[in-house]
Amino acid sequence: TQLLEQSPQFLSIQEGENLTVYCNSSSVFSSLQWYRQEPGEGPVLLVTVVTGGEVKKLKRLTFQFGDARKDSSLHITAAQPGDTGLYLCAGVHSGAGSYQLTFGKGTKLSVIP
Amino acid sequence: DSGVTQTPKHLITATGQRVTLRCSPRSGDLSVYWYQQSLDQGLQFLIQYYNGEERAKGNILERFSAQQFPDLHSELNLSSLELGDSALYFCASSVDRATDTQYFGPGTRLTVL
Repeated sequence: TQLLEQSPQFLSIQEGENLTVYCNSSSVFSSLQWYRQEPGEGPVLLVTVVTGGEVKKLKRLTFQFGDARKDSSLHITAAQPGDTGLYLCAGVHSGAGSYQLTFGKGTKLSVIP
Repeated sequence: DSGVTQTPKHLITATGQRVTLRCSPRSGDLSVYWYQQSLDQGLQFLIQYYNGEERAKGNILERFSAQQFPDLHSELNLSSLELGDSALYFCASSVDRATDTQYFGPGTRLTVL
């Protein structure tokens, strides 16, 4: 069972355009993370959102956590070719000395110069 | 460079065989996590170790096993390999057993022919 649904699956845009990718779940997580993965490399953590309604900014990237802590979005302003990659959201289950991430299947972003 | 190392980078083997993947965590990190990434299932958590002890289990098959050694490096053993085991296997590490930052290695690409 896929607990985290990401959309769109693929996105190809021109440099300078804005975009939003979505991460939706039927489960509540203690927190939610966004990662970027480039070919041949492991995922790299971009941000962790913890509180419902929380908004975090990382340069041109804006992350939002839904009020019910079940969904999240990533908005990129004025996309650059360097933003190209696979964007993954991950729900965090933590407690009792363990820490587990449940990943969505990702959004593959291509930014064309 | 995340500081997590994985060997080998690529592995090609035949069905029915057994392989061992190796992971060295970042210096000072006590927790190690193993993930499998395939095209159809995405990135899936397999198992977590903390300071030599198993802490959490995810979607790990009975044919797979892992351990963490006193020097904190970890090995993932995959046996009776099937075509469907072909995937990228990532190791990640974190400082302790319940922290929000996991650092991923570059992965091992396993191809089962």
